[in-house]
Amino acid sequence: DTAVSQTPKYLVTQMGNDKSIKCEQNLGHDTMYWYKQDSKKFLKIMFSYNNKELIINETVPNRFSPKSPDKAHLNLHINSLELGDSAVYFCASSHPGLAGGGTQYFGPGTRLTVL
Amino acid sequence: AQKITQTQPGMFVQEKEAVTLDCTYDTSDPSYGLFWYKQPSSGEMIFLIYQGSYDQQNATEGRYSLNFQKARKSANLVISASQLGDSAMYFCAMRDTGRRALTFGSGTRLQVQP
Repeated sequence: DTAVSQTPKYLVTQMGNDKSIKCEQNLGHDTMYWYKQDSKKFLKIMFSYNNKELIINETVPNRFSPKSPDKAHLNLHINSLELGDSAVYFCASSHPGLAGGGTQYFGPGTRLTVL
Repeated sequence: AQKITQTQPGMFVQEKEAVTLDCTYDTSDPSYGLFWYKQPSSGEMIFLIYQGSYDQQNATEGRYSLNFQKARKSANLVISASQLGDSAMYFCAMRDTGRRALTFGSGTRLQVQP
């Protein structure tokens, strides 16, 4: 039973294309996140949704648009892909009200390569 | 602004020995949480251990323990009896009460040698 799943796991595409990454969690959490891990392994928050409402929107180009159709899903759409978008994108979820400080559980990551 | 610092880019340890991975943090929020994650070469992020800023005792989870020194703003991860499968990147992260997102350190690559 996968707790946080992402599709696809690998995404190779040309510059200028539009692509989407999907994320689903079956943990019953109410908050979901997108993180970007660059080539130096540095992880940075991009977006966070709580109960389908956007609560964190870091300084991310507006080519990136998250969408949360319901509490269990958070998708990331990227328009006009650029070489610099190549990275691993992680989805995560948490339930802040629970013990454990609202531990975030991560999906397996999507490795995006822009050629 | 929050900041997490991991000063050890890479560490080596012999199998069955203990190892400490350093983490210092900076925040003005009195309430925060500290986390350690493991990222093996397969790429997934695995939650290891959590410490709350008001917790009186150091957190422990199996072979992992968190050496929390609040006055020094440090939250070092101790792995006892290292195993070959512990070879991975380890990330320290912090979350404050106001901002639910995690701020990560730059990571430490641990290699366990037989």
